[in-house]
Amino acid sequence: AQSVTQPDIHITVSEGASLELRCNYSYGATPYLFWYVQSPGQGLQLLLKYFSGDTLVQGIKGFEAEFKRSQSSFNLRKPSVHWSDAAEYFCAVGAGDSNYQLIWGAGTKLIIKP
Amino acid sequence: EPEVTQTPSHQVTQMGQEVILRCVPISNHLYFYWYRQILGQKVEFLVSFYNNEISEKSEIFDDQFSVERPDGSNFTLKIRSTKLEDSAMYFCASSLQGAIYEQYFGPGTRLTVT
Repeated sequence: AQSVTQPDIHITVSEGASLELRCNYSYGATPYLFWYVQSPGQGLQLLLKYFSGDTLVQGIKGFEAEFKRSQSSFNLRKPSVHWSDAAEYFCAVGAGDSNYQLIWGAGTKLIIKP
Repeated sequence: EPEVTQTPSHQVTQMGQEVILRCVPISNHLYFYWYRQILGQKVEFLVSFYNNEISEKSEIFDDQFSVERPDGSNFTLKIRSTKLEDSAMYFCASSLQGAIYEQYFGPGTRLTVT
């Protein structure tokens, strides 16, 4: 069965510092991979996605993520965080075939220090 | 930018009562989904819906749950007889045909069962 692991429950980063949020997945083939962000009181917003091709994908709000098949990882990065990036970040996997559901990680809460 | 909307934002109900959560997907999307997130837990897939029928459902989606597209714009989730454990945030999502994993989410309905 597919699964997604986000090993960090929360991460604290100083404003202006770089960020990397970890995501590992378990799936036999190449999955469809996603990062979503949930700001307090808001819904889930798609940051970026990977389906195939270039393993480094760019998303909104200055985020990028890199798919590494050998490590079964899809880590999210941002070179310089802003206070407005404080939110919860979710990695998700779409499994292919006729399976339309997304499988979700537990989320990583990002805290920004001034 | 088109968005998925959900009403109400917060619903409080007594155990055993029926609730209907409403969603208006993005107008040209053809696939619709419900997910839930119990406080402090992962987002969980409930059901996907296409062409006026359920495409897939999880084991959570038992006989107490039903979905309907009563007209050309609304998509509803009904819980027939609510239980305490149904308390959660319920998210509706929609996607274009051919991009079924690029799901766009609404802001959610927080359901509290007392």
